[in-house]
Amino acid sequence: EAAVTQSPRNKVAVTGGKVTLSCNQTNNHNNMYWYRQDTGHGLRLIHYSYGAGSTEKGDIPDGYKASRPSQENFSLILELATPSQTSVYFCASGDARAGGIAEQFFGPGTRLTVL
Amino acid sequence: GMPVEQNPPALSLYEGAESGLRCNFSTTMKGVQWFQQNHRGRLITLFYLAQGTKENGRLKSTFNSKERYSTLHIKDAQLEDSGTYFCAVEEGNQGKLIFGQGTKLSIKP
Repeated sequence: EAAVTQSPRNKVAVTGGKVTLSCNQTNNHNNMYWYRQDTGHGLRLIHYSYGAGSTEKGDIPDGYKASRPSQENFSLILELATPSQTSVYFCASGDARAGGIAEQFFGPGTRLTVL
Repeated sequence: GMPVEQNPPALSLYEGAESGLRCNFSTTMKGVQWFQQNHRGRLITLFYLAQGTKENGRLKSTFNSKERYSTLHIKDAQLEDSGTYFCAVEEGNQGKLIFGQGTKLSIKP
């Protein structure tokens, strides 16, 4: 089974500060994803990647950047954190299957509070 | 409306009971995943379907792409089944998932 880890697990940041959330997967999946989960919403896609060097905008990318320096690592970067970015962030990885679908495996989540 | 709708938003069952959760989507989707989110917030994958029906113990899931819905059926409910259940559907060829709002399930002794 794919192993997806996230760090930190909890983070408190100040408004205007820079925050980097890290994600590592050990199953050699091509695709990686960053989601946020807020009360009253399901998970919403922020950024995703098809492989090292690739980043794509998801459904709610504003205020976030992403970086995929290697197959294993995918970071989410908040250059100027705002209180509205207080949320739980989930990373996921999955296989890319041509013409088919890809099961996603999720990390444990990172709880971010921006004061 | 929402591209993915889950019903009901909340459900309460006694131990041993059974019920079904439903996920409706507005366009043809390629596949569905069902997750349980436990009290620690961890997402546990229950099923992953591109078509048809899968069964695992007390759980069974069906995906009907043509009719645009998926179901998750729980029988002989146990206390540890409590949590929020999400369906997430995959559209297109990009591997992107669209999540429903979830069904909060409470199991009572």
